[in-house]
Amino acid sequence: LAKTTQPISMDSYEGQEVNITCSHNNIATNDYITWYQQFPSQGPRFIIQGYKTKVTNEVASLFIPADRKSSTLSLPRVSLSDTAVYYCLVGDKRKTGANNLFFGTGTRLTVIP
Amino acid sequence: DVKVTQSSRYLVKRTGEKVFLECVQDMDHENMFWYRQDPGLGLRLIYFSYDVKMKEKGDIPEGYSVSREKKERFSLILESASTNQTSMYLCASKRKALGPPYEKLFFGSGTQLSVL
Repeated sequence: LAKTTQPISMDSYEGQEVNITCSHNNIATNDYITWYQQFPSQGPRFIIQGYKTKVTNEVASLFIPADRKSSTLSLPRVSLSDTAVYYCLVGDKRKTGANNLFFGTGTRLTVIP
Repeated sequence: DVKVTQSSRYLVKRTGEKVFLECVQDMDHENMFWYRQDPGLGLRLIYFSYDVKMKEKGDIPEGYSVSREKKERFSLILESASTNQTSMYLCASKRKALGPPYEKLFFGSGTQLSVL
């Protein structure tokens, strides 16, 4: 499993852009980078996935440099409802299930009014 | 959107009891998972099923078993509950991915199990 490292926690004021960076130095050729979001008392929710360069959807953007050893999840103009734990995962597209995804403890984002 | 339903939101059991946690998904997904989540430890995979009657051990299968008799239902069984199995249990499902997005799991809301 490719190991990921991300900050344990971050604070941000409402309306700011938040960037959460994840390090994955041992990423392999067939690995995709996926981010999940978990609100209190709920299961995690898939928010974005990418392989290289930039991916954007209605929730977030994901920036991946050419060497793919890190990735940055960008949340534009956060609101209080973005307070959650964000998980960065790296998984092999050829595999599924057991031993392919490691959630870790994620980054706890707190949005302050 | 996919709905993954876990039978109980909160459950309190006694040490030594046999405990069944039920999970049902409504999108004909091939793959289903059971995780447990503990403070400071993140989510840890207990068991995974990629088809009816098929299962694979995850990272922490000891003390647990699973059953998948129908495609939509995946049950987690604690044969003899112990206090160290007090935890939040999360069920998830996903389709068999032939292209991106890969590993897009849909989670239930979880069952908070307390073993006294």
